[in-house]
This record gives sequence, structure tokens and C-alpha cells, in this order.
Amino acid sequence: AQSVTQLDSHVSVSEGTPVLLRCNYSSSYSPSLFWYVQHPNKGLQLLLKYTSAATLVKGINGFEAEFKKSETSFHLTKPSAHMSDAAEYFCVVSEGTGRRALTFGSGTRLQVQP
Amino acid sequence: DAGVIQSPRHEVTEMGQEVTLRCKPISGHDYLFWYRQTMMRGLELLIYFNNNVPIDDSGMPEDRFSAKMPNASFSTLKIQPSEPRDSAVYFCASRDRGYEQYFGPGTRLTVT
Repeated sequence: AQSVTQLDSHVSVSEGTPVLLRCNYSSSYSPSLFWYVQHPNKGLQLLLKYTSAATLVKGINGFEAEFKKSETSFHLTKPSAHMSDAAEYFCVVSEGTGRRALTFGSGTRLQVQP
Repeated sequence: DAGVIQSPRHEVTEMGQEVTLRCKPISGHDYLFWYRQTMMRGLELLIYFNNNVPIDDSGMPEDRFSAKMPNASFSTLKIQPSEPRDSAVYFCASRDRGYEQYFGPGTRLTVT
């Protein structure tokens, strides 16, 4: 069985400072891991994905995540937050080759202060 | 491509009424997923289809919920009869043989 835990329900940063959103996963197989972003009243958009290639994954809007198997983590980072980054972020796991549906974390709401 | 299309975007109905949500996946995608999002339970997978065939409906909460996919370009999620606790945002997503799911904008359902 697969699961994902987002360690923070809310994160608040100042504009221009680094962002760290934490995610730990559990999977019986080699997982595929994703980060999705959801802006208010919008659908979900894929930020980045890990599918057993490079462990450091770069996504859109300057975000990146590092897959650490030894720590079962897939934390999302960005060097400098922008006001437009304020949104809900979901860490997602899919087992095996990706045939299965996705299991979503509970989400982290990112606030960016001016 | 227009992306995943869902209709209606907002639905307000009274308890006991039938509600039908619609989804048009991205052309060429052979997987279709229905999710429900609430404050209490977050995002939950309700059911998914592969090549129009339901594969896993274990997330469907009750017999009041049913989903169909009569062809590769259309799916419905029906709730009959609806109840206030069904109020949520319902998302449809589709994907091809890769890993990424593409989500529609969602349908916000309010049952009074």
C-alpha cells in the first residue's frame, strides 16, 4: 500500500525568501512522486514529477524537489518565493509503473507575506 | 487541446434531487478519474476507468453514486438522491499511458 504525509498543513514565508514544503512517502514498490499546486477555486496543476530518473527534479515556476530514498522524502523547494506562489500544494504518490491512481497528501497551504 | 472539460462548473440543488456531473477527457487519454475534494477529507479518488471500463470503484461512497463512461470522450458521475453531505468539489482527470494526470477545473456542488 502507498501513502504520503505532508508534514505541515500551513507554511508562511516572506516574499523573496526560500520555500520548503515537506513530504514523506510510503510505498511497497518503486514509487512515482509528484507535486501538484492548486490555486484558489482552480483545478490542480502538475508542478513536477519523479519517475525513477534523476533524483533532483526541476519543475515549473522555479520549483524543484529531491527524491531521497533513504529518508523516504520528496521535499519541494524554491529559492525565492513570489506572491503568486500562494496556493495549496499536494504531494502525490503512485506505485509501480504508474498504472494505478494517485494517492494525495492532505495538502500544505503556502502563504506568502509581502 | 482544450484540456479536461467539466460541466457544470457550479451546481446548486435541493436534497433528494438527482445530480449529474459531466466530463470530457483529453482526446487520446485512455484513463479517466473522478475525485471529490472536501475540507474534511481532502482529495479522494471515487472511481477510475481504463478504456471506458471501470477498474476501481472502491472509493464510491454509497450506492447513491454511480459513474459511467459510454465512450472515450464522455463520462458522467450521478448522485441520486443527493444529500447535503455530498456538497464538495468534484474533479475529473485524465491521462494517457504516462504518469501525469490532467485535471479539469472541477464542479462545485452544493446540496441544500
